[in-house]
Amino acid sequence: EDQVTQSPEALRLQEGESSSLNCSYTVSGLRGLFWYRQDPGKGPEFLFTLYSAGEEKEKERLKATLTKKESFLHITAPKPEDSATYLCAVHQTGNQFYFGTGTSLTVIP
Amino acid sequence: AAGVIQSPRHLIKEKRETATLKCYPIPRHDTVYWYQQGPGQDPQFLISFYEKMQSDKGSIPDRFSAQQFSDYHSELNMSSLELGDSALYFCASSYWTDSTDTQYFGPGTRLTVL
Repeated sequence: EDQVTQSPEALRLQEGESSSLNCSYTVSGLRGLFWYRQDPGKGPEFLFTLYSAGEEKEKERLKATLTKKESFLHITAPKPEDSATYLCAVHQTGNQFYFGTGTSLTVIP
Repeated sequence: AAGVIQSPRHLIKEKRETATLKCYPIPRHDTVYWYQQGPGQDPQFLISFYEKMQSDKGSIPDRFSAQQFSDYHSELNMSSLELGDSALYFCASSYWTDSTDTQYFGPGTRLTVL
């Protein structure tokens, strides 16, 4: 069964405490893996797209990596404004998008 | 910079009524996506268009239809509305640059079916 699983569901970090969010997938045929940030009541904000195992992308305090079965979003020295829900989604070669249920990140000052 | 525009932002309908949601992508973006996000749920992909042609189809009910027009705006038509259709509906547009598909979401339309 094609699915995307994110862990942990919720994460509380102290400001400056680095950590990683996980997105594992069992989707047959990967066209791309997307990472988004979503604030309550707002549309997802695009962060990265990864296409092949071994690929890495960085943006400010965020770094996304991809293997054949999972992706990690590393957050280095997070700030309170990084608090949000982080979503990953897999675009499958069968033309479907599968979203994970998200990780709710809270960064405490 | 211009963003994805969705209208209306809020819509209240009765059961069995119809609704039309509109999406205006960022200029020069060639792909439009529609998603449905229920309360506390992750987004569900509905349908997408590339260069005005339907490209991918997800979990879109038969009661819904969508199209993209010559000016690249897209409309999601929803008929025989049900209570379970109450959700946030997001449109996103994207373009391919620097070997990556960059996707931008609109603010969403909140549909409430009474």
